[in-house]
Amino acid sequence: QVQLVQSGAEVKKPGASVQISCKASGYTFTNYFIHWVRQAPGQGLEWMGVINPRDDTTGHAQKFQGRVTLTRDPATSSVYMELSSLTSEDTAVYFCAREHVVSNSYGMDVWGQGTTVTVSS
Amino acid sequence: IQMTQSPSSLSASVGDRVNITCRASQSISGYLHWYQQKVGKAPKLLMFAASNLQSGVPSRFSGSGSGTDFTLTISSLQPEDFATYYCQQSYSPPRTFGQGTKVEIK
Repeated sequence: QVQLVQSGAEVKKPGASVQISCKASGYTFTNYFIHWVRQAPGQGLEWMGVINPRDDTTGHAQKFQGRVTLTRDPATSSVYMELSSLTSEDTAVYFCAREHVVSNSYGMDVWGQGTTVTVSS
Repeated sequence: IQMTQSPSSLSASVGDRVNITCRASQSISGYLHWYQQKVGKAPKLLMFAASNLQSGVPSRFSGSGSGTDFTLTISSLQPEDFATYYCQQSYSPPRTFGQGTKVEIK
């Protein structure tokens, strides 16, 4: 079945970096963008960035410019999100989600299960 | 593009009709989607392109609007509908979400 499976929870110290993986299965990897969305405890959804698995082009929210790196590995149908210079404000659940590359009219229809990142000294 | 939902929360009873509104800070045509999120779970796509029901979503959910003003309607609230609902625009980057509307049991 179509699914996105994310890597497990992480605990990091302030200033460190974290990398989260998102492995796609059940569909053609290059037909869907992968977005990253995070949710701080008790807060709403915050869009972070997107990668096009076809050509490796990326886009980021200005807030994360210079701190977030999105990459993909077509051989394993996986996308990676690395966030650097972590602070306590980066403590959140991080989700990946797919959106069809043909049109931005279809929404993010499949989501990963979420990865909890805790930043604490 | 800023997305503003109202109300931020509401209390309703099973069987009630519920309306949640979402306003964009500029026209987004019909590039508006609705998600449902239950506690501890990933968001789930309910409606895409303002008024299209995602496969598998019950028909008691409906959406309307275009331009800057949109509405999500639940025609008869069911126990499993108590959750937080988010709108999201895909008209232009960066993709932005509304702040959410929490639907609670009255």
